[in-house]
Amino acid sequence: LAKTTQPISMDSYEGQEVNITCSHNNIATNDYITWYQQFPSQGPRFIIQGYKTKVTNEVASLFIPADRKSSTLSLPRVSLSDTAVYYCLVGDRSGGSYIPTFGRGTSLIVHP
Amino acid sequence: DTAVSQTPKYLVTQMGNDKSIKCEQNLGHDTMYWYKQDSKKFLKIMFSYNNKELIINETVPNRFSPKSPDKAHLNLHINSLELGDSAVYFCASSQDSAGLAYGYTFGSGTRLTVV
Repeated sequence: LAKTTQPISMDSYEGQEVNITCSHNNIATNDYITWYQQFPSQGPRFIIQGYKTKVTNEVASLFIPADRKSSTLSLPRVSLSDTAVYYCLVGDRSGGSYIPTFGRGTSLIVHP
Repeated sequence: DTAVSQTPKYLVTQMGNDKSIKCEQNLGHDTMYWYKQDSKKFLKIMFSYNNKELIINETVPNRFSPKSPDKAHLNLHINSLELGDSAVYFCASSQDSAGLAYGYTFGSGTRLTVV
């Protein structure tokens, strides 16, 4: 059964780089890893997705080691507006259908 | 020009009542979902529909019944509401049947409080 584990919370300061790691030991061979950001009173928002090695976009970078059993979301030079909950998502195919499985999320608080 | 819109935003009701939450997407996506987020922020899928056909039904009590009149709408009806149903319910959609290629687009949620 695909399952993800993330730290429950993290604290950082403006201007710092933040790395949030998610473990997904049972990820399927053909599964992608997707990260979402959620602000209070809003739905989650897609940030970045990857399959292996490194992916970078205008918002973040995603590092995935060769064994793909974990992934690290990297937010460069965070600001106060990056305070949010960050979710790692992989899929569970144990029942045949693809079941998107979110982790419990990491609550990131950025301090001035 | 909201992509995924759900109504109402807040819903307070008494135990035993029946209520519905509506969802509409204007993205032209084929697949829609309902997620439940509990007080600890755990986000769990409940249902997914692809072109009006039920794809995922994740161990949800049968008091919950999704209805998809067309592929742009997915409503959630809940019978005999219980205290434990209190949560935030999110509607979402995706371009493909599993959200693998481009991810999911979520609505802003409906906070249901059962008293």
